[in-house]
Amino acid sequence: GESVGLHLPTLSVQEGDNSIINCAYSNSASDYFIWYKQESGKGPQFIIDIRSNMDKRQGQRVTVLLNKTVKHLSLQIAATQPGDSAVYFCAEIFTGGGNKLTFGTGTQLKVEL
Amino acid sequence: DADVTQTPRNRITKTGKRIMLECSQTKGHDRMYWYRQDPGLGLRLIYYSFDVKDINKGEISDGYSVSRQAQAKFSLSLESAIPNQTALYFCATSGGSSEKLFFGSGTQLSVL
Repeated sequence: GESVGLHLPTLSVQEGDNSIINCAYSNSASDYFIWYKQESGKGPQFIIDIRSNMDKRQGQRVTVLLNKTVKHLSLQIAATQPGDSAVYFCAEIFTGGGNKLTFGTGTQLKVEL
Repeated sequence: DADVTQTPRNRITKTGKRIMLECSQTKGHDRMYWYRQDPGLGLRLIYYSFDVKDINKGEISDGYSVSRQAQAKFSLSLESAIPNQTALYFCATSGGSSEKLFFGSGTQLSVL
């Protein structure tokens, strides 16, 4: 079956540095992607999304990059702060067929002071 | 107030007991979902509902049932709980033409 996977289960960065969290997806038909942030004891929260007709999208301190050629998605967090410590999930979906979001297993981001 | 509210937040029960987890939302969304989260396995879909009269099985529906009592309410039941149903359960909603999900804070269920 199709799956969404992450390259690294844990990422440690220094406060103030930029973070890059990667995600590989296997369904070449997927046309919509979302990044979620899950803090301890809370449900996943939407961070940013991107459609397959784009290769980059920017938000506040976050950027998502999509490389459809190699089926790769990344989340970049600028000037990482302690409050960014959380588990980050990517999710993919092919919106044309009544499908549901498929989630990756998550990457734990740890921000060191 | 949270847009998607789950009750209870924590529950400990014994094998064989019937358990109901409840979810209510104030977002006015038509679609509601129940997910299960286990360490290392991500979020897996149990059941989903596109409207009050529509219920669909997800990838891991065995041992679970749901009820969509109203547009704003979607409950998940474990008819006879077993230890491998110990997990963190999330309710989520989506609406309109967007696939974006909005999650509740979760229910931690432990089956002894």
